[in-house]
Amino acid sequence: QIQLVQSGPELKKPGESVKISCKASGYTFTDYAMHWVKQAPGKGLKWMGWINTYTGKPTYADDFKGRFVFSLEASASTANLQISNLKNEDTATYFCARSALQWSPFDYWGQGVMVTVSS
Amino acid sequence: DIVLTQSPALAVSLGQRATISCKTNQNVDYYGNSYMHWYQQKPGQQPKLLIYLASNLASGIPARFSGRGSGTDFTLTIDPVEADDTATYYCQQSRNLRTFGGGTKLELK
Repeated sequence: QIQLVQSGPELKKPGESVKISCKASGYTFTDYAMHWVKQAPGKGLKWMGWINTYTGKPTYADDFKGRFVFSLEASASTANLQISNLKNEDTATYFCARSALQWSPFDYWGQGVMVTVSS
Repeated sequence: DIVLTQSPALAVSLGQRATISCKTNQNVDYYGNSYMHWYQQKPGQQPKLLIYLASNLASGIPARFSGRGSGTDFTLTIDPVEADDTATYYCQQSRNLRTFGGGTKLELK
C-alpha cells in the first residue's frame, strides 16, 4: 500500500539546523511530485513548496526562500527538508504530501514531524 | 498570490446539513476545470483529501460529502452531518502554485 513515512520529532536550539525525511513506498517515487506543508501549533496549513522528484528541481513559496532546502535521495525513495538557522517561529509540524501532476491535489500525506525550537 | 478565505468556525446539529464556504481573490478556473480541493483534518492527524477539482469525490470518501462552485466561490457540503465529521476543513487551490484557506472548524451544537 502507498505510504509516506516521516522521521521522528526533533528538539533544537535557535540557530541550529534540522533535516527531516519522508520515505515513500508502494508507488514509483519519481512519478509523483513531493510537497512540504507547515502547520504551526493551533494554526492552519501553509504550503512551503515542492520538489520535482524526476529532475530534483525544487520550487519554494515566497515565505520559505533562503533557510529551507528540499532535496532527494531518489535511490531510497526519500525526500528531505532541511531548515537552517532555526528560529522560534519554525516550531511546527511539517508534513510531506504527494501529487500526481502540477495541478493535482495531495492524495497521500506523511504523518507529520514535530519540530520544536527552544533555548 | 491567490488568497483563500474561509469562515473560522461552523456549528451544526447532528443529522443536519453543513455548508462550508471558500472564496478566492482570483479566478481558479482554467480550461473547464476549477482547481479547488478540500481536505479534512482531525486533531493530531494528517489532512485527508475529500474533494478534488471542486466537485469530485476522492476515493473512499462517503457520498455525504459534496463540493460545488467555480471561479472564485466554492462550497463543501456535508449532509447529513455525523459525529465523526467534527474536524477542521481546508480548501486549497492549485491554479497557481498552491495555497490553503485558513480552515473552518466544524463543531456540533
